[in-house]
Amino acid sequence: ILNVEQSPQSLHVQEGDSTNFTCSFPSSNFYALHWYRWETAKSPEALFVMTLNGDEKKKGRISATLNTKEGYSYLYIKGSQPEDSATYLCAFDRGSTLGRLYFGRGTQLTVWP
Amino acid sequence: GAVVSQHPSRVICKSGTSVKIECRSLDFQATTMFWYRQFPKKSLMLMATSNEGSKATYEQGVEKDKFLINHASLTLSTLTVTSAHPEDSSFYICSARAGLYPQETQYFGPGTRLLVL
Repeated sequence: ILNVEQSPQSLHVQEGDSTNFTCSFPSSNFYALHWYRWETAKSPEALFVMTLNGDEKKKGRISATLNTKEGYSYLYIKGSQPEDSATYLCAFDRGSTLGRLYFGRGTQLTVWP
Repeated sequence: GAVVSQHPSRVICKSGTSVKIECRSLDFQATTMFWYRQFPKKSLMLMATSNEGSKATYEQGVEKDKFLINHASLTLSTLTVTSAHPEDSSFYICSARAGLYPQETQYFGPGTRLLVL
């Protein structure tokens, strides 16, 4: 069983705070790391696909970094807004032709106005 | 773009009956579709992968005779839970990808909550 850990499990912040959370994955057989944002009752929304060590990607106020040698990725949200409230999932991709992803349990973010 | 729909969103059925869940890619052709299951407080677990026109590949521990997957076209895959039992109650969610490269994004449907009484 391949272990993908996300921490913290949940996070409550005030509007305007910046926040970050972690995804840990095996450092061997790495191909890509996917981040998703999942609002209640909606489809998970793809945020980033990260492939290279040292990669940094940005989408608006959300950014992510990748360290494949030590097996972790950080997701940052700058100036959190209530609409950022969601569960953030990461998924480890070993590059199998079948496209198998290994998901963490997610970090549930609540941003209070 | 890249919208995936899933129906129904919720279903309640009696033990012993079969339930079919549909997953459709609305604005792209999906070469591969995936079915996941999520139990409370657990991560999304892949059940099976299907390619259009070929048999699904099931993950270890997933009964292929119980969870029938049909990927009849490039925009539709169905999951049928046969002879459902209360332990099959879970959240089922599909995803689809357009291309064949491993790192390509999977686009998800909104999921189906199944309750078996």
